[in-house]
Amino acid sequence: GDSVTQMEGPVTLSEEAFLTINCTYTATGYPSLFWYVQYPGEGLQLLLKATKADDKGSNKGFEATYRKETTSFHLEKGSVQVSDSAVYFCALKPPNFGNEKLTFGTGTRLTIIP
Amino acid sequence: DTAVSQTPKYLVTQMGNDKSIKCEQNLGHDTMYWYKQDSKKFLKIMFSYNNKELIINETVPNRFSPKSPDKAHLNLHINSLELGDSAVYFCASSLRTAPYEQYFGPGTRLTVT
Repeated sequence: GDSVTQMEGPVTLSEEAFLTINCTYTATGYPSLFWYVQYPGEGLQLLLKATKADDKGSNKGFEATYRKETTSFHLEKGSVQVSDSAVYFCALKPPNFGNEKLTFGTGTRLTIIP
Repeated sequence: DTAVSQTPKYLVTQMGNDKSIKCEQNLGHDTMYWYKQDSKKFLKIMFSYNNKELIINETVPNRFSPKSPDKAHLNLHINSLELGDSAVYFCASSLRTAPYEQYFGPGTRLTVT
């Protein structure tokens, strides 16, 4: 079945550091890929997405590129801020119409210290 | 202009009770979902409805019964609550067409004592 593997957390970085959170997936065909962010006490918010190979999703300084050859969708940000502290989830949706199920990774807790 | 709303935000109850969580979306979406997030933050889909029709029903105890009176509402009723039901329950909605973005509600934290 489909699965998403994220790097284990927690991740602690200093402000302005470079961030990478690894995400790899197992799925048939070309799934849609997503990064969601969950701030403390809140629901999940869609951060960015990519729907086909080599697509780059970007939002709020975060980027992720859909790499079919390595089945990866790593999240990056050049300079993190304290306000980026949250839990980040990688997720996929199968390509076939009628299958709306999102499969999530286990989440990576990110803490940014001033 | 809340997009996906859930009530209540917190629910504390005793084992054996029956409780309901309500969800409403004003995004014009045709598909709604219930997810369960455990204490380790792991998220798993439970149910999904499209235009009031059940389309996803994962392996969930039959004490959990979703109901969708219309495509803007999805409720979750839980009978005979158990300690292991303690979790955060999220409602989400989307269109059943690309780009398949799901929008989440703020969650309901259920604590069973």
